[in-house]
Amino acid sequence: GAVVSQHPSWVICKSGTSVKIECRSLDFQATTMFWYRQFPKQSLMLMATSNEGSKATYEQGVEKDKFLINHASLTLSTLTVTSAHPEDSSFYICSARGRQGGNEQYFGPGTRLTVT
Amino acid sequence: GEDVEQSLFLSVREGDSSVINCTYTDSSSTYLYWYKQEPGAGLQLLTYIFSNMDMKQDQRLTVLLNKKDKHLSLRIADTQTGDSAIYFCAESNRGYGGATNKLIFGTGTLLAVQP
Repeated sequence: GAVVSQHPSWVICKSGTSVKIECRSLDFQATTMFWYRQFPKQSLMLMATSNEGSKATYEQGVEKDKFLINHASLTLSTLTVTSAHPEDSSFYICSARGRQGGNEQYFGPGTRLTVT
Repeated sequence: GEDVEQSLFLSVREGDSSVINCTYTDSSSTYLYWYKQEPGAGLQLLTYIFSNMDMKQDQRLTVLLNKKDKHLSLRIADTQTGDSAIYFCAESNRGYGGATNKLIFGTGTLLAVQP
């Protein structure tokens, strides 16, 4: 149980285009989803926290107009990188926390974004 | 702000024990976690410990917490080549009323297991 998937697993796009990444909780309802970014050989940095049906809360320094987050249902959150640039190339990981509460976050496998 | 530090690299021989260390600064940390990340993959939760515990053992894994020194360690007994990965410690605190706060990750320790 507690499986989180991400799609796509990797994507290459041209500079200036937008890319959407999906995060799904497959066997539980996720009231809260988190989006992280991980640069090579670095730790995970939280970008934003999204609760189902409400606006995401962004961490300091993360542009909300560039990284659009939608959490329209209890099993799906999307992250759209708008007008992507090469410096946005990174590994994006989502995690989800269930309706039952507790403190555990279940992580997706990540999406490798490369902007050329 | 919160800060979580780890040593960058650890190399051990297969069959030996591995000890990965982590220090944190947030004295209000309630939960401390160890995650494993294999190349190109997401994070797998290995174990966690509540801040009112000193030790937790789960099969080959032993977590030790020194709350006074804000020091957390993960010991892997009988380390295998399949244990080679990056290990992240993370901390969070539970806000008033049970609301859960975000995870703050350490810098990660690359564990290399030599056959």
